[in-house]
Amino acid sequence: KNEVEQSPQNLTAQEGEFITINCSYSVGISALHWLQQHPGGGIVSLFMLSSGKKKHGRLIATINIQEKHSSLHITASHPRDSAVYICAVRGGSNYKLTFGKGTLLTVNP
Amino acid sequence: KAGVTQTPRYLIKTRGQQVTLSCSPISGHRSVSWYQQTPGQGLQFLFEYFSETQRNKGNFPGRFSGRQFSNSRSEMNVSTLELGDSALYLCASSLVPNTEAFFGQGTRLTVV
Repeated sequence: KNEVEQSPQNLTAQEGEFITINCSYSVGISALHWLQQHPGGGIVSLFMLSSGKKKHGRLIATINIQEKHSSLHITASHPRDSAVYICAVRGGSNYKLTFGKGTLLTVNP
Repeated sequence: KAGVTQTPRYLIKTRGQQVTLSCSPISGHRSVSWYQQTPGQGLQFLFEYFSETQRNKGNFPGRFSGRQFSNSRSEMNVSTLELGDSALYLCASSLVPNTEAFFGQGTRLTVV
């Protein structure tokens, strides 16, 4: 069983919809990252969280340490939000990053 | 401020050869991590360097190695290439370990 589980694997939305991507993990962590990867490979770090909630523009990330769960929300989605969103946790005994498999988001105009 | 720079962007090698990939971190960043991304396994951690010392290593064979120089630039080397080593290799830098990481565009390695 992967230490980091993301859902859904694929998500298709219409422009303007509210999007939620979930991430659950099974180990104690020091931080959780949300990453965005566009076709072509480049990865952008969206958030790094260790507690609570962070907001940047239309993106909101929350984390519940007790439940070992994080969510990434996108408000008023736009076709340019189409990308793979990856959750990664830093924890365990050696603090290495462990990644989820990613969620492919497609936002149609 | 320049971002993380990885060179080369694309590389084609033959089985059995070796390859060296380079990563220049953001100025002032002293921690560099390497990751392998394949369609089957997703993103996997390779190793992390800080102040020229390897801090952590992922579950990869000894054919995968790396180093970091005094200017924080890092290289990773893969010897005796196998077809399964074809992947996108990503480097990320951060000020110090366990802080926000900034990723490069990656090097896409194809082994034929």
